[in-house]
Amino acid sequence: NAGVTQTPKFRVLKTGQSMTLLCAQDMNHEYMYWYRQDPGMGLRLIHYSVGEGTTAKGEVPDGYNVSRLKKQNFLLGLESAAPSQTSVYFCASSLQGADGYTFGSGTRLTVV
Amino acid sequence: GQSLEQPSEVTAVEGAIVQINCTYQTSGFYGLSWYQQHDGGAPTFLSYNALDGLEETGRFSSFLSRSDSYGYLLLQELQMKDSASYFCAVRSSGGSYIPTFGRGTSLIVHP
Repeated sequence: NAGVTQTPKFRVLKTGQSMTLLCAQDMNHEYMYWYRQDPGMGLRLIHYSVGEGTTAKGEVPDGYNVSRLKKQNFLLGLESAAPSQTSVYFCASSLQGADGYTFGSGTRLTVV
Repeated sequence: GQSLEQPSEVTAVEGAIVQINCTYQTSGFYGLSWYQQHDGGAPTFLSYNALDGLEETGRFSSFLSRSDSYGYLLLQELQMKDSASYFCAVRSSGGSYIPTFGRGTSLIVHP
């Protein structure tokens, strides 16, 4: 089982560029999430989805958009990258109502 | 809103026992979970408490007191590989049941 796979693993963007982070899970999980992790800040929820075709805002959604066209995929988009979006991004998934999440290995994004 | 407090760093020696505390403020409490994250790695789920008391999983145990809005993670027979960050996360009805994570505790295990 691959679990949760994130691509790319590393990326450097220039301010104003756009990009899409891809998250794929093969566990048939209904729920998927995007978090960002910054030093000393823990994990902060950006957006989440409770099923195919649905998305919702988390704690820090500004500057990001998401789509869940297929149950197994959850895309995170940055339309116009800013240095403040330099972070490590983690995708996670879970069964509905499950106690624990399965996380991907993360994407290290640097915006210069 | 929700907030969680946990120490930023804890140090201990190999073979010892260490306790990492977590206090929380939330409405509609649903459960408290713990995650481990090694440097450069992904968080991995350790345990979940919805009811008061102690849950044991091998060398790790997690405790919850809902009346005190408090929980802790207990690590026994510490090993060097236990050096990592540990996050508590609270689920509440006020947060659509999506966990809110604490800022993490860095555990450093010395030989």
